[in-house]
Parts: sequence; C-alpha cells; structure tokens
Amino acid sequence: DAGVIQSPRHEVTEMGQEVTLRCKPISGHNSLFWYRQTMMRGLELLIYFNNNVPIDDSGMPEDRFSAKMPNASFSTLKIQPSEPRDSAVYFCASSLSGGEKLFFGSGTQLSVL
Amino acid sequence: RKEVEQDPGPFNVPEGATVAFNCTYSNSASQSFFWYRQDCRKEPKLLMSVYSSGNEDGRFTAQLNRASQYISLLIRDSKLSDSATYLCVVNRGNQFYFGTGTSLTVIP
Repeated sequence: DAGVIQSPRHEVTEMGQEVTLRCKPISGHNSLFWYRQTMMRGLELLIYFNNNVPIDDSGMPEDRFSAKMPNASFSTLKIQPSEPRDSAVYFCASSLSGGEKLFFGSGTQLSVL
Repeated sequence: RKEVEQDPGPFNVPEGATVAFNCTYSNSASQSFFWYRQDCRKEPKLLMSVYSSGNEDGRFTAQLNRASQYISLLIRDSKLSDSATYLCVVNRGNQFYFGTGTSLTVIP
C-alpha cells in the first residue's frame, strides 16, 4: 500500500514568494493533519480535516497560511507571502477516524531565504 | 499544562543496556496511546500502540496506567539502531497530542 505522499520533498524560496505544499493521504483514511516541526517548537499541529472538512485550524500561525482539501485524496497547505521564520519541516499525516493510528508522509523541508 | 509531558533526555546508554522512557498525560478522557519513533530528518513512525494490559513487541514493552495517567516504554538489549527520538502520543476524539520526544543514543 502507498503511504502518505507529500511533495515537494525540499523547497527553497525567497521571502515574499508563495509556497504550496501538497499531500495525498492513504486511501480510505478520512482524517488528514498538517504539522510543522522545528527544533525550537517541536511538532505543532497546524490544521486537521475530517471527511474533507476543516475541523480545527487554531494552530495555523496567521492569515498567511491557508489549507484546503478539495477531495478525499488531496490537500494543500499554502503560505503567501512566505517569511524566513516559516522555515521548517512540514508533515502531512492521515488516519481513520476514531483514534486509529496516525501515518506520516516524508515531509517537506522548507527553507525561506 | 501540556497535554503530554516527556523527559527530553538525552539518554546515552551502552549497547545491551535496558532503558525506560516515561510519559504523562493531563486529560483523563484520552482514549488511545502510542509510541512513535523519529530518526533524524525523517518522519515519525509508529513503534507500537499501548494497551491497558501492557503489550510487548520483541525487545519493546509498553505499559499504560490510566489511574496515574502514565505511559512507559521499555527497551531491552539496546541496539545501535535504536538510537532515535521516541515520541509519546495520546489520542482524544480525533486529535493526536504529541510529547516533545525523548532522545536516545546507544553507544558501542
């Protein structure tokens, strides 16, 4: 079975540019999560979707961040405009509802110069 | 108060040693419990679920004490390949709460 698929693996961009991160959850999973990880702050939940509907976006840092899930097999996290402090590893994860195990993608290493 | 608290370590142990990690959670309504392993520059991967009765997977043993809201992971006969960060994870509703992780280095 394919796991959670994220793209790109690495993204280097300049401050002010728009960045779009992509995620394909495991087929059949109905919950999708976006996390950000840094050395200083550890793993932070940004937003999660259940059945394609955003349930909790309280972790989204500010209006520069937005996330969509147009269908059960695809989600995007967009940062516009990007800033150097957004540099981090962004993970997408999916699970079945009801407390089932969480599976992570390989992450996107974002560097904003 | 944090949802999940872990000792960040680091733990540096010799090969063959037994090492234990502990974790506490703050909300008694938490439903599911897990240990994840994260290698440097990689994604967290599920190591094992944790059940009230305790469970074992080879050299790894996990325990849950609901009354004390406490989770543990025991690694016996440590291998060099066990070096990683171990994350305690608690689920409640559809939310997963992560500890900050405990760093383990197994030394030859």
